[in-house]
Amino acid sequence: AQKITQTQPGMFVQEKEAVTLDCTYDTSDPSYGLFWYKQPSSGEMIFLIYQGSYDQQNATEGRYSLNFQKARKSANLVISASQLGDSAMYFCAMENSNYQLIWGAGTKLIIKP
Amino acid sequence: DTGVSQDPRHKITKRGQNVTFRCDPISEHNRLYWYRQTLGQGPEFLTYFQNEAQLEKSRLLSDRFSAERPKGSFSTLEIQRTEQGDSAMYLCASSLVLAGEQETQYFGPGTRLLVL
Repeated sequence: AQKITQTQPGMFVQEKEAVTLDCTYDTSDPSYGLFWYKQPSSGEMIFLIYQGSYDQQNATEGRYSLNFQKARKSANLVISASQLGDSAMYFCAMENSNYQLIWGAGTKLIIKP
Repeated sequence: DTGVSQDPRHKITKRGQNVTFRCDPISEHNRLYWYRQTLGQGPEFLTYFQNEAQLEKSRLLSDRFSAERPKGSFSTLEIQRTEQGDSAMYLCASSLVLAGEQETQYFGPGTRLLVL
């Protein structure tokens, strides 16, 4: 069965520090995509970063980078130089062969000033 | 470019009433998705459309739920005879799928439904 696991229900991080949010996945599909979304308290899901299963390099988008370890089936999100506005829920998701996104339970990140 | 919009943003209804939500995708996006999200959980897939065709429905989508995308643009999600368990955030997302290219779903702000 396809599954996304986020083992950190919540995290507190000091402003300006880097933070790593964990995500492991389980799939038998040879081709898949991994996504990270941010959901502030307003509710909107904001796309952050994408990693394809065949991509050779780790994805980066500004302060976001994805530490993709295919053999370990992990796709951790790294946020560098955290800011107060980064406080939100963060979801890891995997697109399966039916174009459905399978979601983790999320990690609540709180940035402390 | 106006992102995905959803209306209403909030809906409170009494058990047994029917409700309808609307989603306007990003223009020219050919795929449209509906998800349901309850507190403390990630979204759950409900259904999706490729243009006007509904291609996939989750078993979560009971016969009280129906979705349409009549002209391949906006979509509606109707819940008949609402139950308290239907209380959730209903999220809509759209994407542009082109052969050989990565698909990214962009989400609207959601509709929060409370069934009393």
